[in-house]
Amino acid sequence: GQQVKQSSPSLTVQEGGISILNCDYENDMFDYFAWYKKYPDNSPTLLISVRSNVDKREDGRLTVFLNKSGKHFSLHITASQPEDTAVYLCAAGGGATGGNNKLTFGQGTVLSVIP
Amino acid sequence: EAAVTQSPRNKVAVTGGKVTLSCNQTNNHNNMYWYRQDTGHGLRLIHYSYGAGSTEKGDIPDGYKASRPSQENFSLILELATPSQTSVYFCASGAGGQNTLYFGAGTRLSVL
Repeated sequence: GQQVKQSSPSLTVQEGGISILNCDYENDMFDYFAWYKKYPDNSPTLLISVRSNVDKREDGRLTVFLNKSGKHFSLHITASQPEDTAVYLCAAGGGATGGNNKLTFGQGTVLSVIP
Repeated sequence: EAAVTQSPRNKVAVTGGKVTLSCNQTNNHNNMYWYRQDTGHGLRLIHYSYGAGSTEKGDIPDGYKASRPSQENFSLILELATPSQTSVYFCASGAGGQNTLYFGAGTRLSVL
């Protein structure tokens, strides 16, 4: 079954608004959570990540919220801009100790920011 | 910046033919991965490797083989290509002990 799920295939937000992207996971052993951004015909690139020992991490307009008891994490993008339009992929994995950095990805959410 | 190079970038293959997708990384990362991207499925892991000579099955390995002859190179092999393997394939690498993956530009494969 799908261990990492993004229930919303698409999201449309007005420019200047807040984009909220959601991700649910099933595996209790996951302790690393990340968001990747992908433009059409380009490779995914890491946006922001968080480990399970924190429940929030901010980086500029981006904030990741982690709810371990609910097996849920989200990405908030404030002051959304048209250039934020892309596919957003959530990912989760076990700790990288021992060298394993295998990630399981969600299905992706297409974010469209309209002027 | 990590550099992961995939070749070819585009490939058209015939059903039943053999296809080899290549990936090269120049950052001395131990771990390399092959994912495929399909609408509604996101990225799904096919095979991965922890170093030269090792390959491991991912979540959807059926119909694929992998080869890691060196630290730098990781290939994905479709011995008998089928139309269901039409997809965009991404290679990624990562350093042991760190979770960040660095992706190549992708290979668009069409099996007719």
